[in-house]
Amino acid sequence: DARVTQTPRHKVTEMGQEVTMRCQPILGHNTVFWYRQTMMQGLELLAYFRNRAPLDDSGMPKDRFSAEMPDATLATLKIQPSEPRDSAVYFCASLGQQYNEQFFGPGTRLTVL
Amino acid sequence: DAKTTQPPSMDCAEGRAANLPCNHSTISGNEYVYWYRQIHSQGPQYIIHGLKNNETNEMASLIITEDRKSSTLILPHATLRDTAVYYCIVRPYSGNTPLVFGKGTRLSVIA
Repeated sequence: DARVTQTPRHKVTEMGQEVTMRCQPILGHNTVFWYRQTMMQGLELLAYFRNRAPLDDSGMPKDRFSAEMPDATLATLKIQPSEPRDSAVYFCASLGQQYNEQFFGPGTRLTVL
Repeated sequence: DAKTTQPPSMDCAEGRAANLPCNHSTISGNEYVYWYRQIHSQGPQYIIHGLKNNETNEMASLIITEDRKSSTLILPHATLRDTAVYYCIVRPYSGNTPLVFGKGTRLSVIA
């Protein structure tokens, strides 16, 4: 059963540290999304890629966040430096071709102290 | 901003049908209605989508009104594992369009 995988599942770090989250989309899915979920804001889009090229990253704070797809099997989201307000669950999703439905990973729960 | 309105919460008895409403009065002609759900501590999961006809799959049925301004997701025989937040989302069919999540409906299935 093909799934989106994300690592790490949990990350606790101190303010100012660099955080890197990784996502492996389902093989053959060429559109990848990054979302963030907090209690206050709910689920919101950060960025998304198609064929490894960024289509929209307007949801990301540009000064500290960066998203890349080094290859078709890996998407990364980096925060440098991290701040307590970045504490959230970060989800990656890849796009299926049958119904244009998005398949979500299990998320990375980030806590910045 | 989300283009849909959903009740914040609903209860349903186990084994009964759960009917989750959604209003999308500003839906455009090229926009579909998608439903996702998020079980606690998991990523959202696709359930079903439709344009104007009623749809059914192994998970649920989707009833869209003729004017397309509202829809209802039906879980025919709710189980405890269906307890989740259910999101109704309108979007063009194009896969390049991200999902815009509202607050959804928290469905509690009660034994």
